[in-house]
Amino acid sequence: DVKVTQSSRYLVKRTGEKVFLECVQDMDHENMFWYRQDPGLGLRLIYFSYDVKMKEKGDIPEGYSVSREKKERFSLILESASTNQTSMYLCASSGGKYNSPLHFGNGTRLTVT
Amino acid sequence: SQQGEEDPQALSIQEGENATMNCSYKTSINNLQWYRQNSGRGLVHLILIRSNEREKHSGRLRVTLDTSKKSSSLLITASRAADTASYFCATTMVRRNEKLTFGTGTRLTIIP
Repeated sequence: DVKVTQSSRYLVKRTGEKVFLECVQDMDHENMFWYRQDPGLGLRLIYFSYDVKMKEKGDIPEGYSVSREKKERFSLILESASTNQTSMYLCASSGGKYNSPLHFGNGTRLTVT
Repeated sequence: SQQGEEDPQALSIQEGENATMNCSYKTSINNLQWYRQNSGRGLVHLILIRSNEREKHSGRLRVTLDTSKKSSSLLITASRAADTASYFCATTMVRRNEKLTFGTGTRLTIIP
């Protein structure tokens, strides 16, 4: 079974801090994704990556950046955390070129105070 | 904006009954997927239906797709307490294969 591991389940940070959310997958998947989930808004795509050192903006990239230095690891960076970035962050991976099912981690609930 | 919208937003039924959830979308798609999310957890993939398919089954799940109406339905038969979860549809659009866009979800509660 594919395992997608997010480094923290809960995280509390202060406004202005730089925040790193880490995600690791163990199935040699090419594709990795970061979503945020908010009540009433569903899941919204922040960034995705189809290869090492490659990244593409999703629907809501503002205030975020990503890093993919190794195939198994995809990091989401909040350059200067703000209270409106309080959310559940979900990492996912998939194999194949397109249209493959996503495998999700259990999420990181980030609170910015 | 959301590509997929689920209906209803919340559904409560008795254990053993069938549950039907609907998803509508706005633009032409390559495929449509359904996912389940247990409270506080990540999403789990349930089933994928391609745009040239009309119906698909997997165990107690039945998915239909009507591309002329831009809608899909997920039927869970003989519901169990363990089916209590949120259910999301997600689509990949024609010429935007790389993006999987999720709806806002249906919260299903099975009453024992």
